[in-house]
Parts: sequence; structure tokens; C-alpha cells
Amino acid sequence: KNEVEQSPQNLTAQEGEFITINCSYSVGISALHWLQQHPGGGIVSLFMLSSGKKKHGRLIATINIQEKHSSLHITASHPRDSAVYICAVKRDTGNQFYFGTGTSLTVIP
Amino acid sequence: NAGVMQNPRHLVRRRGQEARLRCSPMKGHSHVYWYRQLPEEGLKFMVYLQKENIIDESGMPKERFSAEFPKEGPSILRIQQVVRGDSAAYFCASSPWTGAGELFFGEGSRLTVL
Repeated sequence: KNEVEQSPQNLTAQEGEFITINCSYSVGISALHWLQQHPGGGIVSLFMLSSGKKKHGRLIATINIQEKHSSLHITASHPRDSAVYICAVKRDTGNQFYFGTGTSLTVIP
Repeated sequence: NAGVMQNPRHLVRRRGQEARLRCSPMKGHSHVYWYRQLPEEGLKFMVYLQKENIIDESGMPKERFSAEFPKEGPSILRIQQVVRGDSAAYFCASSPWTGAGELFFGEGSRLTVL
């Protein structure tokens, strides 16, 4: 069983739709990242969270430490948001990071 | 302040050759992680290094693969006698210190084995 589970695996949305990607984890963590990877591209950290909520433009990330759950929301989605979104957590013991398998998002014009 | 620098970005090797991938972490970062991403798959941990030390290599195949992070210079991931199954994107990430949750990725090195 993976330490980090994401859902859905694949997501197709119409431009303008509100999108939610979920991440659940089973270990104690000190930080959680939401990462973005465009096809054939590098990996960019969108957010690093340890509690609460963060907002950057049309992107919002929330985390519930007690429930071991985080969500990434995209408002007014756009085709350029099409990418793989990866949830990653840093354990609170040791220095290891664990990654979800990613959510592949396609936004159709 | 340059980010994590990886080179080469693309590398083509024939079966049996050696591949060397380099990673220069962000300035001030002393922790380096290497991850492998096979086509259509997620990131898989390979090795975690600090300067001059391998901390965790549990994700790295025991044969043909090695990694180092010398006192001076970049971290190097070395794959000897490459096989077609080694074709993948190899990502390096760096972190400033053990307590930090920060993680910064390079652009990746894409290895193709013919």
C-alpha cells in the first residue's frame, strides 16, 4: 500500500470548471507539497503546506492534519492547467519524501 | 539564485555504455535526492545524499547504479552497462536542511538507451 494516495488518477474538465484533486496519506508528516509536471517537462512545486490553506492565483491548497488529507482546487480552469499534479509528503521522522502516483488533468477548450 | 541544475537534459546511450547524470543543488542546499520516472509512471525514490555521505540508497538497484555527492562539485548518478529498461527521466531535488520540508526539483535528465 502506498503511503500517499491520490484521486482521481485521470480527470478531464471543460474550460472554466472548478477542479478538485485529493490526496490522502498514512504517515506522520512535517510538510506536504503539491507539484505540477507538464508533459515532458520538469517538476514545479506549487505549494508547500503544513497546516491550513494557501492560495496562489486560481490555485488553492488545503490540508487537514487530523484527517491526513489535502486537496488542490483549481478555479476557472484553463487548457494551460493541463498537467500531472503530484502530491508529496515529507515524513516527520527521517528525511524521506513520499509521492502519490499523480493526477493527470486535461482541460478541454 | 539559480535553481537545481541538471545536465545533460537529454542523453542517448547504446546498451552496455555508461551514463553519468549530474545535479548541482540550489546554493546553500546540502541534501540531494534522486528520483526515477519511468514512462507513464510516478516518481520513484532512488537515493538520498548529503555532502560526502549516502544517507539512504534503498531505492537504488544494487548493481550497475551508484551515486555520489562530493565535497566539491555536483552530485553524480552513474549507471554502468545501461540496458533498455534504464530509459527514463531522472530527477534530482535538493533541500536546505533536514528539518525543512522544502524540496526543489531540477528539470530532469532524460536517458534513452538504444
